[in-house]
Amino acid sequence: AQKVTQAQTEISVVEKEDVTLDCVYETRDTTYYLFWYKQPPSGELVFLIRRNSFDEQNEISGRYSWNFQKSTSSFNFTITASQVVDSAVYFCALSEGGLSGSARQLTFGSGTQLTVLP
Amino acid sequence: DTGVSQDPRHKITKRGQNVTFRCDPISEHNRLYWYRQTLGQGPEFLTYFQNEAQLEKSRLLSDRFSAERPKGSFSTLEIQRTEQGDSAMYLCASSLWDQAFFGQGTRLTVV
Repeated sequence: AQKVTQAQTEISVVEKEDVTLDCVYETRDTTYYLFWYKQPPSGELVFLIRRNSFDEQNEISGRYSWNFQKSTSSFNFTITASQVVDSAVYFCALSEGGLSGSARQLTFGSGTQLTVLP
Repeated sequence: DTGVSQDPRHKITKRGQNVTFRCDPISEHNRLYWYRQTLGQGPEFLTYFQNEAQLEKSRLLSDRFSAERPKGSFSTLEIQRTEQGDSAMYLCASSLWDQAFFGQGTRLTVV
């Protein structure tokens, strides 16, 4: 069975601080996908990033960066120079690979509420 | 707008009534998913369609829940004899391969 754990329920930072959101996952599959989604107060889940299990390269996109480490089953997300607009709930999710290599349904963590104070 | 569309956005119903939600996926996406999200939790998988075939159903999907995707286009999720525990946000997502795009959800309140 697959499982995603986001141990941080709530994080509060002051604007311009860096913040890291932790994600630990469990799966028996060798082919899987990891995702981060952002859920602002409006409720819509916004896709941020996808990684597959064969690509452990870290990635940077603007103020966002992701650290994927298979050895510790972690896929952490860092926001640099946080802004008030970053305030949202962030979800880490896991999808095991299907027969065709495509992803199946997502297993989400319980989310981390990030509040960025001005 | 070419994103995933869900209707209605909000639904208030009395316990015991039936409700139906609709999801229109992104047009070229062959996969469609339903999730349920309760307050303070991450979304939980309910069911999954590839084209018109319902391929997987979660054990969360009791006999009172039914989903359809006629002709592999839009999908409907029906809840019969609603209970207060059904109050939640119902999210629809669609994908072509491994990136799912979500709609804004239907918030159901059972009173």
